Amino acid sequence: EIVLTQSPGILSLSPGERATLSCRASQSVTYNSLGWFQQRPGQAPRLLIYAASSRASGIPDRFSGSGSGTDFTLTISRLEPEDFAVYYCQEYSSSWNTFGQGTKLEIK
Amino acid sequence: QVQLQESGPGLVKPSETLSLTCSVSGASVSSGSHYWIWIRQPPGQGLEWIGETYNSGSTKYNPSLKSRISVSVDTSKNHFSLTLSSVTAADTAVYYCVTSFESHGVTRNYWGQGTLVTISS
Repeated sequence: EIVLTQSPGILSLSPGERATLSCRASQSVTYNSLGWFQQRPGQAPRLLIYAASSRASGIPDRFSGSGSGTDFTLTISRLEPEDFAVYYCQEYSSSWNTFGQGTKLEIK
Repeated sequence: QVQLQESGPGLVKPSETLSLTCSVSGASVSSGSHYWIWIRQPPGQGLEWIGETYNSGSTKYNPSLKSRISVSVDTSKNHFSLTLSSVTAADTAVYYCVTSFESHGVTRNYWGQGTLVTISS
């Protein structure tokens, strides 16, 4: 089983700042089979990034993903008010899929 | 545009079986290229992947739930289903149905709005 650990648990930033979220896997994620999701309060999650670095359809280019192996990063270049939400990473390379515990991005 | 809608009881008694259905529009559950997925989220907590069916009948389940769950498709009704047996209060969650597929080289991912299921006597 691959365990995903996200850090930090809570990230406090201001609009316009840059956000860097981390997702570390307990073992290597093959084929970079890692995605990032955003969940706003009261809404279903939505896919932001798949295959570690590919942006999903309709996602603004201020969102970018990087990494390989066991270390992955989601970067939001300039925070907009609607970006303050909870972010989850998910791996889908193993016999079953797992999510990280989430990072809450809050307004400072 | 693909749309998904969960349906099922909002309240289930402990030890009983939970059954949910996801109605699909804009796509066919008989498509061999789609993954048909269930994910849940206990109140105030994170996301938990439950299981999925794909490739016209293959399944993959969360091992912590494997003995209790089944995910299947009904092509005549164009929906897919989740059954979870012997439920306890720990199974109280918002249940989401999701589909994921590749179109024109891009992965697409659609979610239902979610349905809250409470396990209580």
